[in-house]
Amino acid sequence: SQTIHQWPATLVQPVGSPLSLECTVEGTSNPNLYWYRQAAGRGLQLLFYSVGIGQISSEVPQNLSASRPQDRQFILSSKKLLLSDSGFYLCAWYAGANVLTFGAGSRLTVL
Amino acid sequence: GENVEQHPSTLSVQEGDSAVIKCTYSDSASNYFPWYKQELGKGPQLIIDIRSNVGEKKDQRIAVTLNKTAKHFSLHITETQPEDSAVYFCAASIMGRRALTFGSGTRLQVQP
Repeated sequence: SQTIHQWPATLVQPVGSPLSLECTVEGTSNPNLYWYRQAAGRGLQLLFYSVGIGQISSEVPQNLSASRPQDRQFILSSKKLLLSDSGFYLCAWYAGANVLTFGAGSRLTVL
Repeated sequence: GENVEQHPSTLSVQEGDSAVIKCTYSDSASNYFPWYKQELGKGPQLIIDIRSNVGEKKDQRIAVTLNKTAKHFSLHITETQPEDSAVYFCAASIMGRRALTFGSGTRLQVQP
């Protein structure tokens, strides 16, 4: 079956520390993968998307970066976190027929 | 690019009443309009979607209507139940482009 995994589920980090959030999908090959951010009480903002290994497109300039080292792995990173990076980060992929499917999310709090 | 606006931001209804959430979009080329439900601490889940070749779609207590001329679409929930309480997001995209643009969300509270 097709599933999507995200970890860690929650993370509390100090300002200036690095970040690595990981997303993997199972049961498919060559998926389009996405990272969205949801700030408290706000909508879903597309951060990055990838159509294949090593192919990353950024939607908004920011303190974050993304990488896709393997076909079914998508990583969101930062070298130095800012307070404004706090939020709920969601990985997503297209399970088919234009249906965007989300992972369970990773809640990041930067103190 | 596409811009999606969603109203209201919060909505409180009594159990059994109907709830309506409205969205407008800016790109007339958009042809796919999904709705997602997000429960607390979880990722959004697709509950219903509509394509531009139809004006209305229904699935049990949930229905979505689309007016392409006015560029707006709405989610209708009838006979609301406490388990309908969640945040609902509308979105729009051009099929094939595959990047959804989301509205800002509506927090629905169904009072028992």
